[in-house]
Amino acid sequence: GDSVTQMEGPVTLSEEAFLTINCTYTATGYPSLFWYVQYPGEGLQLLLKATKADDKGSNKGFEATYRKETTSFHLEKGSVQVSDSAVYFCALSLQTGANNLFFGTGTRLTVIP
Amino acid sequence: EAGVAQSPRYKIIEKRQSVAFWCNPISGHATLYWYQQILGQGPKLLIQFQNNGVVDDSQLPKDRFSAERLKGVDSTLKIQPAKLEDSAVYLCASSLALYGYTFGSGTRLTVV
Repeated sequence: GDSVTQMEGPVTLSEEAFLTINCTYTATGYPSLFWYVQYPGEGLQLLLKATKADDKGSNKGFEATYRKETTSFHLEKGSVQVSDSAVYFCALSLQTGANNLFFGTGTRLTVIP
Repeated sequence: EAGVAQSPRYKIIEKRQSVAFWCNPISGHATLYWYQQILGQGPKLLIQFQNNGVVDDSQLPKDRFSAERLKGVDSTLKIQPAKLEDSAVYLCASSLALYGYTFGSGTRLTVV
């Protein structure tokens, strides 16, 4: 079935360190891929998305590239800040059907000063 | 624009009791979703509405969970009777199109 596998956390980094959170997927057809972020006490927010192979999504310094050959959508940021501390979810949605989102288990990131 | 409103924010009940959650989507959003997020897991879809019709409820445990969306606006999700394993955050989301998902802050349910 359709699923997303995320790098397990938690991840703890020092401020200005480089961040990578791995995400791979299994899907029938051609899914759209998403990264959502959940800050403490808040709801899920869309961070970035990509709808087809080789697309790069970017927002707030975060980037992820849709790699069909490796079925991956890894999240990266060159220099993290304390304010980036949150839980990050990789998700996919099929282009057809009900369009609901399939989420990974989430990766908790803590950035220390 | 106003976001997706959910209430209550927190709820603690004993097992076998009933509970209801309410969601008010963003105005004009035809599609409404209920997700269940168990601690340490990603959200899982329970039910999706398009206006006031059900699109997908294949993951809804229908022996104890029910949901309705009267008049295609507000929605309620009910659990009766609750079990310990229903402890989770229940998220409501609405969308106008696939990429316009907006999530509410969720209702954290604890069943003791």
